Amino acid sequence: DVKVTQSSRYLVKRTGEKVFLECVQDMDHENMFWYRQDPGLGLRLIYFSYDVKMKEKGDIPEGYSVSREKKERFSLILESASTNQTSMYLCASGTSYNEQFFGPGTRLTVL
Amino acid sequence: AQSVAQPEDQVNVAEGNPLTVKCTYSVSGNPYLFWYVQYPNRGLQFLLKYITGDNLVKGSYGFEAEFNKSQTSFHLKKPSALVSDSALYFCAVRDFSSYKLIFGSGTRLLVRP
Repeated sequence: DVKVTQSSRYLVKRTGEKVFLECVQDMDHENMFWYRQDPGLGLRLIYFSYDVKMKEKGDIPEGYSVSREKKERFSLILESASTNQTSMYLCASGTSYNEQFFGPGTRLTVL
Repeated sequence: AQSVAQPEDQVNVAEGNPLTVKCTYSVSGNPYLFWYVQYPNRGLQFLLKYITGDNLVKGSYGFEAEFNKSQTSFHLKKPSALVSDSALYFCAVRDFSSYKLIFGSGTRLLVRP
């Protein structure tokens, strides 16, 4: 079975802190994705990566950056956390033409 | 632009009755379509997909979906609902200009005993 793991299930940070969310997949997938999910807004794509050291902006990249130094690992970075970044963050991986597999999510609260 | 619409925010059905969760799409070319389910405080789980072939696709947990090209729809169905099917359901279509999936806004399914 494909497994996508995320470093934390729940995280509480203060405004202005730098936040790292880590995601690891074990299926050698080329593509990895970071989404945020908010009530009434569905899933919104923040960034994605189709290869090591490659990244593309999604629909809402502002306030975020990413890092993909190894194929299995994709990190989302909040350079200076703000309260409007309180959300559920979902990581996914997949191949180019098929389904994506999701991690369990990280619920981030920024105080 | 490619898009997915889930016209119902919530669907209510009694246990044992058939259920349908609606999805329509807009793409150029042949669509790759997906259904996912999300239980509370969990990530999304893949249910089924349509790439090509039979219009009726069978997936996990007894769910199936019917691809209708003329109506540009991909409705999710189950012959007999269970209370444990209560969850949030997302339809998605692949964006062929990138590796992205475009998700609908989600439909909450509530199955009452």
